[in-house]
Amino acid sequence: AQSVTQLGSHVSVSEGALVLLRCNYSSSVPPYLFWYVQYPNQGLQLLLKYTTGATLVKGINGFEAEFKKSETSFHLTKPSAHMSDAAEYFCAVSDPGRRALTFGSGTRLQVQP
Amino acid sequence: DTAVSQTPKYLVTQMGNDKSIKCEQNLGHDTMYWYKQDSKKFLKIMFSYNNKELIINETVPNRFSPKSPDKAHLNLHINSLELGDSAVYFCASSQAAGHNEQFFGPGTRLTVL
Repeated sequence: AQSVTQLGSHVSVSEGALVLLRCNYSSSVPPYLFWYVQYPNQGLQLLLKYTTGATLVKGINGFEAEFKKSETSFHLTKPSAHMSDAAEYFCAVSDPGRRALTFGSGTRLQVQP
Repeated sequence: DTAVSQTPKYLVTQMGNDKSIKCEQNLGHDTMYWYKQDSKKFLKIMFSYNNKELIINETVPNRFSPKSPDKAHLNLHINSLELGDSAVYFCASSQAAGHNEQFFGPGTRLTVL
């Protein structure tokens, strides 16, 4: 069975500071990994994904994530936080043979002025 | 030109009532999903349909019945609503042949009084 752990339910950074949101996964097969963002009262929007190939993945809004198989991690980073980045972020894993996503519990990012 | 749409956006009803939520996607995808997001923001798969065939049916009460009249539509009917059914329900779609990148609707916030 797959699982996703997001360390830190709340992360607060200052505007312009580095954003680091942590995600560790457990999967019995090579996984597909995703980061989604949810703004208040909205649906989920895909930020980026890892399927195969290059382990450093770039996404929208300046975010990127690195797949580290040895650490079973897929942490999300952004060099400089913007006020508009304040939202809930979800890491998800998909077993290539199972057509559903298993989500982490989410991390709420606050950006202080 | 909304990709995945849901109606209604908000649904407030009394315990014991029966209600339906509708979902439509215009992405040409062949797989559709229902997810439930609880009050702690945790997202969990409920159902998945591929080409109108049910392929995932998680541990969900029989009061919940999905119906897919065609590939572009997936509806969720809930009988005898209970207080614990209050949540945000998200519809999503993906292409079966892809990496399971899922596109989400805006959600339906169900409140059972």
